[in-house]
Amino acid sequence: DAGITQSPRYKITETGRQVTLMCHQTWSHSYMFWYRQDLGHGLRLIYYSAAADITDKGEVPDGYVVSRSKTENFPLTLESATRSQTSVYFCASSRAESYEQYFGPGTRLTVT
Amino acid sequence: SQELEQSPQSLIVQEGKNLTINCTSSKTLYGLYWYKQKYGEGLIFLMMLQKGGEEKSHEKITAKLDEKKQQSSLHITASQPSHAGIYLCGADIEGSQGNLIFGKGTKLSVKP
Repeated sequence: DAGITQSPRYKITETGRQVTLMCHQTWSHSYMFWYRQDLGHGLRLIYYSAAADITDKGEVPDGYVVSRSKTENFPLTLESATRSQTSVYFCASSRAESYEQYFGPGTRLTVT
Repeated sequence: SQELEQSPQSLIVQEGKNLTINCTSSKTLYGLYWYKQKYGEGLIFLMMLQKGGEEKSHEKITAKLDEKKQQSSLHITASQPSHAGIYLCGADIEGSQGNLIFGKGTKLSVKP
């Protein structure tokens, strides 16, 4: 099916573990984004990518790593998970800057 | 983000009533996006406004952009239970480098 998907949808991990959240879109959108959503903070941008092999930091990048070797995929890695990274993570894509973003269903991550 | 304030934070209305949600920016607005989110799900794009005075409608939802006031309003006419959810505004504002800053959302409940 066309669209934007995220996996896993739910993940529980322990402090200090590395975990990777996957994002895949079938629209060939140039831009892709990772957000986290927390009560009291709303949606905050972690990293974004304007094209394959081009990534940039957002508002809250510390503790996260991204890569984009293919246009359709944009994985987010937590190198050493901390409890403060417990959150709901959303991936989004858009065809260009200043165009509407389309969001995936989210990944609920719990770090124990 | 304090740069984008939504009001009210929550709203309970009787089915059939009209309602308005506001989104105000502390900085110059270049584009304003409205999204709807149901619990446990991703954000669904509703409308995008880019020009001062612009007004768009989709079914019973109308959004307007007042560029001078740096504000957008989302108006729902004759609300239905299907309108319930969290409404978020996202904006490309001065200093956001083309990325979207999001408000904290307005939780709407519609009583049958």
